[in-house]
Amino acid sequence: QKEVEQNSGPLSVPEGAIASLNCTYSDRGSQSFFWYRQYSGKSPELIMFIYSNGDKEDGRFTAQLNKASQYVSLLIRDSQPSDSATYLCAVNRNFNKFYFGSGTKLNVKP
Amino acid sequence: NAGVMQNPRHLVRRRGQEARLRCSPMKGHSHVYWYRQLPEEGLKFMVYLQKENIIDESGMPKERFSAEFPKEGPSILRIQQVVRGDSAAYFCASSSVPANTGELFFGEGSRLTVL
Repeated sequence: QKEVEQNSGPLSVPEGAIASLNCTYSDRGSQSFFWYRQYSGKSPELIMFIYSNGDKEDGRFTAQLNKASQYVSLLIRDSQPSDSATYLCAVNRNFNKFYFGSGTKLNVKP
Repeated sequence: NAGVMQNPRHLVRRRGQEARLRCSPMKGHSHVYWYRQLPEEGLKFMVYLQKENIIDESGMPKERFSAEFPKEGPSILRIQQVVRGDSAAYFCASSSVPANTGELFFGEGSRLTVL
Protein backbone atom coordinates (compact mmCIF):
# COMPACT_ATOMS: atom_id res chain seq x y z
CA GLN A 1 0.00 0.00 0.00
CA LYS A 2 1.34 3.40 -0.95
CA GLU A 3 1.86 5.97 1.77
CA VAL A 4 -0.09 8.59 -0.18
CA GLU A 5 -2.63 7.91 -2.89
CA GLN A 6 -3.96 10.32 -5.47
CA ASN A 7 -6.03 9.93 -8.59
CA SER A 8 -3.68 10.64 -11.47
CA GLY A 9 -6.37 12.35 -13.54
CA PRO A 10 -6.42 14.29 -15.68
CA LEU A 11 -9.13 16.28 -13.99
CA SER A 12 -10.70 18.70 -16.45
CA VAL A 13 -12.77 21.66 -15.29
CA PRO A 14 -14.01 24.75 -17.15
CA GLU A 15 -12.61 28.14 -16.30
CA GLY A 16 -14.38 29.65 -13.31
CA ALA A 17 -15.47 26.30 -11.86
CA ILE A 18 -14.35 24.69 -8.60
CA ALA A 19 -11.63 22.06 -8.91
CA SER A 20 -11.59 19.40 -6.19
CA LEU A 21 -8.43 17.39 -5.67
CA ASN A 22 -8.32 14.46 -3.27
CA CYS A 23 -5.68 12.51 -1.41
CA THR A 24 -5.69 9.61 1.07
CA TYR A 25 -2.85 8.48 3.30
CA SER A 26 -2.16 5.20 4.98
CA ASP A 27 -0.52 6.04 8.31
CA ARG A 28 -2.72 7.39 11.09
CA GLY A 29 0.37 8.78 12.77
CA SER A 30 0.83 11.33 10.00
CA GLN A 31 1.22 14.76 11.45
CA SER A 32 1.11 17.41 8.75
CA PHE A 33 -0.21 17.66 5.25
CA PHE A 34 0.87 19.71 2.28
CA TRP A 35 -0.26 20.51 -1.24
CA TYR A 36 2.37 21.34 -3.85
CA ARG A 37 1.82 22.51 -7.40
CA GLN A 38 4.20 21.39 -10.14
CA TYR A 39 4.16 22.80 -13.64
CA SER A 40 5.53 20.54 -16.36
CA GLY A 41 9.30 20.46 -16.26
CA LYS A 42 9.42 22.67 -13.18
CA SER A 43 9.99 22.13 -9.49
CA PRO A 44 7.21 21.75 -6.91
CA GLU A 45 6.06 24.83 -5.06
CA LEU A 46 4.04 24.87 -1.86
CA ILE A 47 0.39 25.89 -2.15
CA MET A 48 -0.91 25.14 1.32
CA PHE A 49 -0.27 23.15 4.46
CA ILE A 50 -2.69 21.99 7.13
CA TYR A 51 -2.16 20.35 10.50
CA SER A 52 -5.60 20.28 12.15
CA ASN A 53 -8.91 18.74 11.20
CA GLY A 54 -11.21 21.04 9.31
CA ASP A 55 -10.80 23.65 6.62
CA LYS A 56 -8.07 26.15 5.95
CA GLU A 57 -8.60 28.88 3.39
CA ASP A 58 -6.03 30.98 1.55
CA GLY A 59 -7.37 33.08 -1.29
CA ARG A 60 -8.92 30.82 -3.90
CA PHE A 61 -7.53 27.71 -2.22
CA THR A 62 -9.09 25.69 0.60
CA ALA A 63 -7.42 22.69 2.17
CA GLN A 64 -9.58 20.20 4.04
CA LEU A 65 -8.32 17.56 6.47
CA ASN A 66 -10.20 14.65 7.97
CA LYS A 67 -7.85 12.56 10.08
CA ALA A 68 -10.52 10.00 10.99
CA SER A 69 -10.99 9.20 7.31
CA GLN A 70 -7.29 9.79 6.50
CA TYR A 71 -8.30 12.15 3.78
CA VAL A 72 -7.00 15.49 2.55
CA SER A 73 -8.45 17.61 -0.20
CA LEU A 74 -7.70 20.84 -2.02
CA LEU A 75 -10.44 23.00 -3.49
CA ILE A 76 -9.59 25.65 -6.06
CA ARG A 77 -12.34 28.19 -6.57
CA ASP A 78 -12.73 30.23 -9.74
CA SER A 79 -10.25 27.99 -11.54
CA GLN A 80 -8.01 29.71 -14.08
CA PRO A 81 -6.09 28.24 -17.02
CA SER A 82 -2.92 29.18 -15.13
CA ASP A 83 -3.96 26.66 -12.45
CA SER A 84 -3.37 23.85 -14.95
CA ALA A 85 -0.59 21.79 -13.41
CA THR A 86 0.04 18.63 -11.44
CA TYR A 87 -0.90 18.87 -7.78
CA LEU A 88 1.12 16.79 -5.34
CA CYS A 89 -0.20 15.81 -1.95
CA ALA A 90 2.51 15.34 0.69
CA VAL A 91 2.30 13.88 4.16
CA ASN A 92 4.81 14.21 6.93
CA ARG A 93 5.00 11.31 9.37
CA ASN A 94 8.48 11.31 10.79
CA PHE A 95 10.45 14.37 11.72
CA ASN A 96 12.44 14.69 8.60
CA LYS A 97 10.78 13.48 5.43
CA PHE A 98 7.70 13.97 3.36
CA TYR A 99 5.86 11.24 1.51
CA PHE A 100 4.53 12.43 -1.81
CA GLY A 101 1.64 11.13 -3.86
CA SER A 102 2.03 10.64 -7.58
CA GLY A 103 0.05 13.78 -8.28
CA THR A 104 -3.21 14.71 -9.98
CA LYS A 105 -3.02 16.51 -13.29
CA LEU A 106 -5.49 19.40 -13.52
CA ASN A 107 -6.59 20.93 -16.82
CA VAL A 108 -8.58 24.15 -16.67
CA LYS A 109 -10.22 24.81 -20.02
CA PRO A 110 -10.76 28.43 -21.12
CA ASN B 1 18.01 36.19 -2.31
CA ALA B 2 18.84 33.22 -4.49
CA GLY B 3 16.72 30.11 -4.19
CA VAL B 4 17.90 26.52 -4.13
CA MET B 5 20.44 26.12 -6.91
CA GLN B 6 21.00 22.80 -8.61
CA ASN B 7 23.48 21.93 -11.30
CA PRO B 8 23.76 20.61 -13.82
CA ARG B 9 20.18 21.03 -15.01
CA HIS B 10 20.66 18.27 -17.55
CA LEU B 11 23.23 15.50 -17.48
CA VAL B 12 23.76 12.68 -19.95
CA ARG B 13 25.84 9.68 -18.98
CA ARG B 14 26.57 6.31 -20.51
CA ARG B 15 26.02 3.15 -18.54
CA GLY B 16 28.83 2.58 -16.08
CA GLN B 17 29.83 6.23 -15.76
CA GLU B 18 29.48 8.38 -12.67
CA ALA B 19 26.96 11.17 -12.15
CA ARG B 20 27.48 14.02 -9.68
CA LEU B 21 24.60 16.32 -8.88
CA ARG B 22 25.12 19.47 -6.85
CA CYS B 23 22.76 21.45 -4.68
CA SER B 24 23.32 24.77 -2.95
CA PRO B 25 20.54 25.40 -0.43
CA MET B 26 18.92 28.75 0.16
CA LYS B 27 20.95 31.15 2.21
CA GLY B 28 20.55 30.37 5.87
CA HIS B 29 19.18 26.87 5.28
CA SER B 30 21.09 24.03 6.86
CA HIS B 31 18.72 21.15 6.05
CA VAL B 32 18.93 19.52 2.62
CA TYR B 33 16.73 16.80 1.13
CA TRP B 34 17.15 14.87 -2.10
CA TYR B 35 14.17 13.41 -3.99
CA ARG B 36 13.93 11.40 -7.17
CA GLN B 37 11.04 11.72 -9.61
CA LEU B 38 10.31 9.32 -12.44
CA PRO B 39 8.06 10.48 -15.31
CA GLU B 40 4.39 10.66 -14.30
CA GLU B 41 5.26 9.72 -10.73
CA GLY B 42 5.54 11.53 -7.43
CA LEU B 43 8.64 12.48 -5.52
CA LYS B 44 10.45 9.70 -3.74
CA PHE B 45 12.50 10.61 -0.68
CA MET B 46 16.14 9.62 -0.88
CA VAL B 47 18.18 11.30 1.83
CA TYR B 48 18.12 14.07 4.44
CA LEU B 49 21.32 15.84 5.41
CA GLN B 50 22.48 18.60 7.67
CA LYS B 51 25.91 20.16 7.47
CA GLU B 52 28.48 17.35 7.66
CA ASN B 53 25.87 14.80 8.75
CA ILE B 54 23.58 12.31 7.08
CA ILE B 55 20.44 12.29 9.17
CA ASP B 56 18.29 9.82 7.23
CA GLU B 57 19.31 7.88 4.14
CA SER B 58 16.56 5.29 4.31
CA GLY B 59 15.36 6.14 0.80
CA MET B 60 18.70 5.78 -0.84
CA PRO B 61 19.67 2.56 -2.66
CA LYS B 62 22.32 0.71 -0.66
CA GLU B 63 24.71 0.45 -3.57
CA ARG B 64 26.12 3.00 -6.00
CA PHE B 65 24.40 6.01 -4.39
CA SER B 66 25.96 8.35 -1.86
CA ALA B 67 25.33 11.87 -0.62
CA GLU B 68 27.24 14.44 1.33
CA PHE B 69 26.80 17.97 2.62
CA PRO B 70 30.23 19.28 3.61
CA LYS B 71 30.91 22.15 5.94
CA GLU B 72 31.82 24.29 2.94
CA GLY B 73 30.26 23.98 -0.48
CA PRO B 74 27.16 22.39 -1.95
CA SER B 75 25.50 19.11 -1.16
CA ILE B 76 26.43 16.41 -3.65
CA LEU B 77 24.46 13.36 -4.74
CA ARG B 78 26.78 10.86 -6.37
CA ILE B 79 25.67 7.92 -8.47
CA GLN B 80 28.37 5.47 -9.45
CA GLN B 81 28.19 3.05 -12.37
CA VAL B 82 24.91 4.46 -13.60
CA VAL B 83 22.30 2.22 -15.19
CA ARG B 84 19.35 3.14 -17.40
CA GLY B 85 16.98 2.85 -14.45
CA ASP B 86 18.75 5.80 -12.82
CA SER B 87 17.33 8.11 -15.49
CA ALA B 88 15.09 10.52 -13.61
CA ALA B 89 14.76 14.04 -12.33
CA TYR B 90 16.59 14.57 -9.05
CA PHE B 91 15.26 17.39 -6.92
CA CYS B 92 16.99 19.00 -4.01
CA ALA B 93 15.03 20.86 -1.36
CA SER B 94 16.15 22.87 1.62
CA SER B 95 14.56 24.22 4.76
CA SER B 96 15.66 26.32 7.67
CA VAL B 97 14.16 23.89 10.16
CA PRO B 98 13.37 20.18 10.04
CA ALA B 99 10.77 19.56 7.35
CA ASN B 100 7.91 18.72 9.66
CA THR B 101 7.70 22.29 10.89
CA GLY B 102 8.62 24.27 7.84
CA GLU B 103 8.27 24.63 4.14
CA LEU B 104 10.51 22.79 1.73
CA PHE B 105 11.95 24.99 -1.01
CA PHE B 106 12.81 23.04 -4.13
CA GLY B 107 15.49 23.59 -6.71
CA GLU B 108 14.73 23.31 -10.43
CA GLY B 109 16.00 19.77 -10.52
CA SER B 110 18.74 17.89 -12.34
CA ARG B 111 17.57 15.64 -15.13
CA LEU B 112 19.78 12.62 -15.61
CA THR B 113 19.61 10.60 -18.79
CA VAL B 114 21.54 7.34 -18.96
CA LEU B 115 22.19 6.06 -22.46
